Amino acid sequence: QQKVQQSPESLIVPEGGMASLNCTSSDRNVDYFWWYRQHSGKSPKMLMSIFSNGEKEEGRFTVHLNKASLHTSLHIRDSQPSDSALYLCAASYTNAYKVIFGKGTHLHVLP
Amino acid sequence: EAAVTQSPRNKVAVTGGKVTLSCNQTNNHNNMYWYRQDTGHGLRLIHYSYGAGSTEKGDIPDGYKASRPSQENFSLILELATPSQTSVYFCASGVSWGGYEQYFGPGTRLTVL
Repeated sequence: QQKVQQSPESLIVPEGGMASLNCTSSDRNVDYFWWYRQHSGKSPKMLMSIFSNGEKEEGRFTVHLNKASLHTSLHIRDSQPSDSALYLCAASYTNAYKVIFGKGTHLHVLP
Repeated sequence: EAAVTQSPRNKVAVTGGKVTLSCNQTNNHNNMYWYRQDTGHGLRLIHYSYGAGSTEKGDIPDGYKASRPSQENFSLILELATPSQTSVYFCASGVSWGGYEQYFGPGTRLTVL
């Protein structure tokens, strides 16, 4: 069964710092990766998605994908206290008809 | 913006009782999903549906049933609730599989005593 592993489990960064979150698929047949953000007591909301090798940037957020290593990473520059949340990585697989979520990384941005 | 609503938002049930969680989406999405979220486990898929009349088992279907009577509505049914089913339940909808994001409802906090 496919698995999505995220690291670290928890991350503390100072306000204005860079946060780097990692995600790896256990199955090579991955089609897409997503990053969702979930603030405490709220529902997950999609932040960014990526399906081809390389980098994608949206404002302070950058996502990298290396399909050969089945690894994606999310980088948040100039981190703000409002970025404190649970970040979930998700992946979809060829012919699997579902999306698998990782356990998430808790990001804490200290003012 | 895509809209998914859930009811009730909070529910306290007794062991052995029947619980029905409801989900409604106005996005006209084909796919709908039920997840539970527990500390240390992330989001786990219970049941999903491709469209009205279809339900499929997800990764943890034991103890749960699902019903999709229409494009808009998807219910999760716990026939005999147990304390181990205490959790936060999220419903989501999506256009299809593959490269389509999922839109989540606000969640239902279920406590089984």
